[in-house]
Amino acid sequence: EVQLVESGGGVVRPGESLRLSCAASGFIFDSYGLSWVRQVPGKGLEWVSGINWSGGSTGYAASVKGRFTISRDDAKRSLYLQMNSLRAEDTALYYCARASRDAQKPQEHWGQGILVTVSS
Amino acid sequence: DIQMTQSPSTLSASVGDRVTISCRASQSITTWLAWYQAKPGKAPNVLIYKASTLESGVPSRFSGSGSGTEFTLTISSLQPGDFATYYCQQYHTYPYTFGQGTKLEIQ
Repeated sequence: EVQLVESGGGVVRPGESLRLSCAASGFIFDSYGLSWVRQVPGKGLEWVSGINWSGGSTGYAASVKGRFTISRDDAKRSLYLQMNSLRAEDTALYYCARASRDAQKPQEHWGQGILVTVSS
Repeated sequence: DIQMTQSPSTLSASVGDRVTISCRASQSITTWLAWYQAKPGKAPNVLIYKASTLESGVPSRFSGSGSGTEFTLTISSLQPGDFATYYCQQYHTYPYTFGQGTKLEIQ
């Protein structure tokens, strides 16, 4: 069974940093693309960042480019999102998601989400 | 970045109705489009990918069509569990982008 478990969320002040982690199990980790998607409670979905199976291709939403960095550690079967210079508008539930192996589905499996609150 | 525009933002319908949700891309994405269903407190579920391919386990009353810049999601006969929010997403080019969502409400 595919499992994705996010951790590292919490309450931080504007300008501070936070690193989210996503621990994966139940599949061959280094064969799949991964992404982070966020949702402000009561609002819509926003794709934040993605990384391909090899780590050689990454993408970022305009709202986080230059502040967030996505990475993966295949040995640890983990996905990360380093979030710097956090802003109030980054407050959201952050989901880790896995693509399908053939990349036909960008988010086939999702974690349960982790809450990040940026507040002074 | 590619902008995705869904319409309508809210749709009121009854059980048994046929409904259609539209999604427009700001430039051609060929068929790199997915549709998701989201319910409060749960992660979204993929319904349709590659514009028209039904995800395994998703009821056949859901269908998708379109290519280029214009896409539609159709639910042929609404069931009680279908009242949720629906999102389209392009995955032709980074950054992948979602539409703003269509909330399907009980009339």
